[in-house]
Amino acid sequence: AQSVTQLDSQVPVFEEAPVELRCNYSSSVSVYLFWYVQYPNQGLQLLLKYLSGSTLVKGINGFEAEFNKSQTSFHLRKPSVHISDTAEYFCAVRNSGYSTLTFGKGTMLLVSP
Amino acid sequence: SQTIHQWPATLVQPVGSPLSLECTVEGTSNPNLYWYRQAAGRGLQLLFYSVGIGQISSEVPQNLSASRPQDRQFILSSKKLLLSDSGFYLCAWSVLVGPNEQFFGPGTRLTVL
Repeated sequence: AQSVTQLDSQVPVFEEAPVELRCNYSSSVSVYLFWYVQYPNQGLQLLLKYLSGSTLVKGINGFEAEFNKSQTSFHLRKPSVHISDTAEYFCAVRNSGYSTLTFGKGTMLLVSP
Repeated sequence: SQTIHQWPATLVQPVGSPLSLECTVEGTSNPNLYWYRQAAGRGLQLLFYSVGIGQISSEVPQNLSASRPQDRQFILSSKKLLLSDSGFYLCAWSVLVGPNEQFFGPGTRLTVL
């Protein structure tokens, strides 16, 4: 079975501060990992993905994530956030033996001036 | 390029009424198709997925059903809506093979009164 845990339901941060959104997964086989962003009343947009190769993955809007196999983590980071980054962020995992994604419950990033 | 459409964008229905939500994908062939429901604070719940015309897998037993009458059309239905069916319904597609990165539609906000 595959599962994803996003430890923080909300992360408040000030504009221009760095942020890290945490994601841990459980899997006994090779995994593919994804981060999505959802703005209010919209669908999900892919931020970045880890399929193989370099463990540091860069995505859109200045976000990056690092795949850590030993800690089964895929934390999302941004060195300096903007007000416009306020949104909900979802981590997702797919095991190589599955055809569907499993999503975490989401982390609401709240950026204030 | 590929695009995914959902309609209607919003819907208010009385308890016990039928439901039909439609999703269509353009610019690709033989996609995997998915229906998710997003209830407040509960993340994404996979409802159905389809790997081909007439092939539907149900992830959660409930009073909803799905159909795929054409390659790029996915329909979510109910004969009698419940209050608990309220939520944000998202359709997604992915390529048939590979890491299964999913692309999401804009969603339908359903309120059952």
